[in-house]
Parts: sequence; structure tokens; C-alpha cells
Amino acid sequence: EADIYQTPRYLVIGTGKKITLECSQTMGHDKMYWYQQDPGMELHLIHYSYGVNSTEKGDLSSESTVSRIRTEHFPLTLESARPSHTSQYLCASSYASYNSPLHFGNGTRLTVT
Amino acid sequence: TQLLEQSPQFLSIQEGENLTVYCNSSSVFSSLQWYRQEPGEGPVLLVTVVTGGEVKKLKRLTFQFGDARKDSSLHITAAQPGDTGLYLCAGADLTSGTYKYIFGTGTRLKVLA
Repeated sequence: EADIYQTPRYLVIGTGKKITLECSQTMGHDKMYWYQQDPGMELHLIHYSYGVNSTEKGDLSSESTVSRIRTEHFPLTLESARPSHTSQYLCASSYASYNSPLHFGNGTRLTVT
Repeated sequence: TQLLEQSPQFLSIQEGENLTVYCNSSSVFSSLQWYRQEPGEGPVLLVTVVTGGEVKKLKRLTFQFGDARKDSSLHITAAQPGDTGLYLCAGADLTSGTYKYIFGTGTRLKVLA
């Protein structure tokens, strides 16, 4: 069963549009993450959060922004989409312990035309 | 920043064959996790190895953590088409003090019937 939900699953949008990718989890996890992944390739961390009002940039530079106003919700926003933003975006969550496994959503496949 | 290199990057084998995937780093990790990702879905945790030298078995999959906790391997016995997918190792980056997860470069496995 899916305890972490991402919407939309697929999004095709024109250059310059503002978009928000939604991510919600029902497991009460403190930590949440956004990864960017090209098809079949490795995951790159772009944002993470330790809890409410905590957000940090990851290892891969990204023009997106995130917010964490509620524990269960971690949306990602692109103010002005560009073709270089075309990718798959995966949201994940975990308990605070550093050995806790990540639970992933099924991703949003974004295409910017 | 710690790095995780996986080998091989791609692997195509016949049903019934055995295979081993490697995950190597020059840094020590407190634990390593293995995930499998199928097309269109997020990665799903297979196992966490914590103790140096630890061996864990999950049906036909055998996971080993190196004695020095710098490397891990995944061995699949008698591979089946259902094993097809992207295999990812991951570890918590302790060097930066943020405990964010680093993912390996990935191994794409295809098992032919």
C-alpha cells in the first residue's frame, strides 16, 4: 500500500509556467526528501527537511524551492519551468534515525516543452 | 561528500543464471541499504546491513556488508524475469553531519526468459 503520495504522476507543461509537485505522507515521518532521477539512472538529492519549518538544499543544484509547513506535506515548486527541468521527481520520507529506510512515492514524470 | 560506486552499470542475463552486484566506497558507512526500482515506480527497500561482515538472505538474494563497512554486495541465485529492475545501494552521509542519504550509481538488471 502507498503511504506516501505524489501528484500528479505525469505533467507536460510549457516553458515559463509555474508548477507545484505535491507530496504527502501518512506515516508521521519527520524527514522528507526530494530526489531528481533521469530514467534508469541514479538519484540526486535536491532538497530535504528534518521537520516542520526546516528545509535544506541537497547535493544537486536545483532552481526549485520547497516548504514544510505541516509534517505530512512537502511540496516542490518551480517558478518558471524550462526544458532542462524535464525529469522524474521522487519524494521520500523516513523516521529521524539515520539508519531508517526511505519510503518513496511513485514519482512525478515532468516534461517541459 | 561520500560517494558510492556500483558495478556493473548494466547487466543482461538469461533466466537461471547467477549474478553479483557490487557497491563500493572509499568511506565508511554506519549502514548500507539496498533498494530495487521498477519502471514507473519509486525504489523499494530490500534490506539494511549494519554490522561489518554481516550477511543477510532474502529468498534468492544474499546481501553482504564488507568487514570495513566500505562496501557491499548483492548476489542473486537463479535469476528470474521478475528480478528485472534498477538496483540501488544507499548509505547515510555522516561526514557532513546532516545524515542525508547518498545513493549509488545504480545497476540496471534485465533477466531474459
